[in-house]
Amino acid sequence: QQQVKQSPQSLIVQKGGISIINCAYENTAFDYFPWYQQFPGKGPALLIAIRPDVSEKKEGRFTISFNKSAKQFSLHIMDSQPGDSATYFCAAFYGQNFVFGPGTRLSVLP
Amino acid sequence: NAGVTQTPKFRVLKTGQSMTLLCAQDMNHEYMYWYRQDPGMGLRLIHYSVGEGTTAKGEVPDGYNVSRLKKQNFLLGLESAAPSQTSVYFCASRRQGGTVEQYFGPGTRLTVT
Repeated sequence: QQQVKQSPQSLIVQKGGISIINCAYENTAFDYFPWYQQFPGKGPALLIAIRPDVSEKKEGRFTISFNKSAKQFSLHIMDSQPGDSATYFCAAFYGQNFVFGPGTRLSVLP
Repeated sequence: NAGVTQTPKFRVLKTGQSMTLLCAQDMNHEYMYWYRQDPGMGLRLIHYSVGEGTTAKGEVPDGYNVSRLKKQNFLLGLESAAPSQTSVYFCASRRQGGTVEQYFGPGTRLTVT
């Protein structure tokens, strides 16, 4: 019940394309859903986050779509750029702790 | 502000050796976490602390101990290292209440031979 599933494991997108990463959870007690971006050799950094009372949140080229009934949420990266090439983790928070998905390695080709 | 710092950045241990990883934060955060990151498994919580002098077990605590004697520091100890503990270790912190944003350190790459 604490697991967060994430797909795909890796993703290759052309510059200017849309990158979509999907996550699913089981525990309905989760009440905060962040996405983290991690570059090689660095720690993860918060990219964007959403609460379950909102269906969509947009920050620049990054959008989270949230489907509470399906217990799914996704990250959309519009106009993907080579600088977006990184590993992306979804996570879910409840109480005091976070549960992370296994990550998606995104490569944006120039 | 340095944010979250970790010492050391790299370390190679032999099986059975011990070591301590240091995490320090200068943001006056109450919560601190230790994670390990392994390929294809995301970040898994080892131990966490909700304040000075308190610690609790996470998802994968076996083989590790922690201490939080000062609010700004969170130590992770390996008493008898095993090859299965080869990983990248990340420390994170966040403040109590309000936003739930975690701030991560740069990581420690540990290899146990």
